[in-house]
Amino acid sequence: EVQVVESGGGLVKPGGSLRLSCAASGFTFTNAWMSWVRQAPGKGLEWVGRIESKTDGGTADYAAPVKGRFTISGDDSKNTLYLQMNSLKTEDTAVYYCATEGYTYGYHAFEMWGQGTMVTVSS
Amino acid sequence: QSALTQPASVSGSPGQSITISCTGTSSDVGGYNYVSWYQQHPGKAPKLMIYAVTNRPSGVSSRFSGSKSGNTASLTISGLQAEDEADYYCSSYRSTSRVVFGGGTKLTVL
Repeated sequence: EVQVVESGGGLVKPGGSLRLSCAASGFTFTNAWMSWVRQAPGKGLEWVGRIESKTDGGTADYAAPVKGRFTISGDDSKNTLYLQMNSLKTEDTAVYYCATEGYTYGYHAFEMWGQGTMVTVSS
Repeated sequence: QSALTQPASVSGSPGQSITISCTGTSSDVGGYNYVSWYQQHPGKAPKLMIYAVTNRPSGVSSRFSGSKSGNTASLTISGLQAEDEADYYCSSYRSTSRVVFGGGTKLTVL
């Protein structure tokens, strides 16, 4: 079964750090572009960033609000994607989803989504 | 970075058709055929419904269709059903390698 499963969410104080994980199975992780998308409570979807597959160069890109604070990486040996979040702000409070990007259909479509993990930034 | 513009809400009766618009710029919607649409039920993860402007993933009903004209993309749902009631989001690739989402549209089936 093809799936991605996020973990690592929780409560953290402003200025703190947190690392999210996304375990992938059922597809060739080494060939996949992977993205993180977040959704603040009661709000819409927001793209956070992506990492290209190693075969395509492994470059990471980030949305402006998180650039310089968040880092996306992947461990091909563990089929796991990570999101390292530093200098967290209250506005980073959201459900964080990982998703494949363009793996099956191309065209920067987000195809397989996890169930999400909640991150709350509060003092 | 500004989100793509969607109407906050639309509604329709069972059996009717509705269209949701998604307006961007020549740097995103108008410049690339990389528009996707997602359906999200409360408390659930989004689900891909349309990719590359007009294409349906395997398993998605043919009642869902997509189109684009200039800087505006559209999602049409025909033969509305109660289960279609959900939030819908568009997304587009944007120059500078990023992706941008619309603000979302709440569909109510009357």
